[in-house]
Amino acid sequence: DLQMTQSPSSLSASVGDRVTITCRASQSMSNYLNWYQQKTGKAPKLLIYAASTLQTGVPSRFSGSGSGTDFTLTINNLQPEDFATYYCQHSYNTPVFGGGTKVEIK
Amino acid sequence: QVQLVQSGSELRKPGASVTLSCKASGYTFTAYTVIWVRQAPGQGLEWMGWIHTNTGNPTYAQDFTGRFVFSLDTSISTAYLQISSLKAEDTAVYYCAREVEYQLLFGENPNYYHAMDVWGQGTTVIVSS
Repeated sequence: DLQMTQSPSSLSASVGDRVTITCRASQSMSNYLNWYQQKTGKAPKLLIYAASTLQTGVPSRFSGSGSGTDFTLTINNLQPEDFATYYCQHSYNTPVFGGGTKVEIK
Repeated sequence: QVQLVQSGSELRKPGASVTLSCKASGYTFTAYTVIWVRQAPGQGLEWMGWIHTNTGNPTYAQDFTGRFVFSLDTSISTAYLQISSLKAEDTAVYYCAREVEYQLLFGENPNYYHAMDVWGQGTTVIVSS
């Protein structure tokens, strides 16, 4: 079965920092990879699809890259509203989510 | 605006059943698949399955066969999730989401990508005696 492994599981950062989250797939999946942001008590929000395409309305400080088995989500100039949990999700055939990365305030 | 509105929180005893609803508005309901996602307390997101709104054909993830049933009432643009024989471990927030298909051109041929672009607010189900 396909597995998605995110790292780190949590991190502490300050406003203005650059944050990188990685997602590794147990098998190659081209660029069929989405990223979501979930704030406490809220539904997830789609940030990026096809590994690197920004969803409409998402700030340009968010970016995604990668292909095959290794993917990254980068947040430049971290803003207070970016403190949340981020999930990657394989999007080819049946969806599989990564375990999540919680971005906390340092 | 495009939205999915889910029914309110539910408290049930073990062994009981519950039906959750997810009402769509602002778009053609039968043009998009509805996905169900579970999130246990303090845990991550778990894909439960989907239902094709144009055919009513459901697909269930391996861990959600038997006690979980997806259904539709297209006349009122609503999807339902029924859970029977509830267990304490069914305590979770249940989300419905719309699956969107994007067409992107890499090279000569288009590729199709799927994502969950609209989410309901979630329904909390608590199973406790």
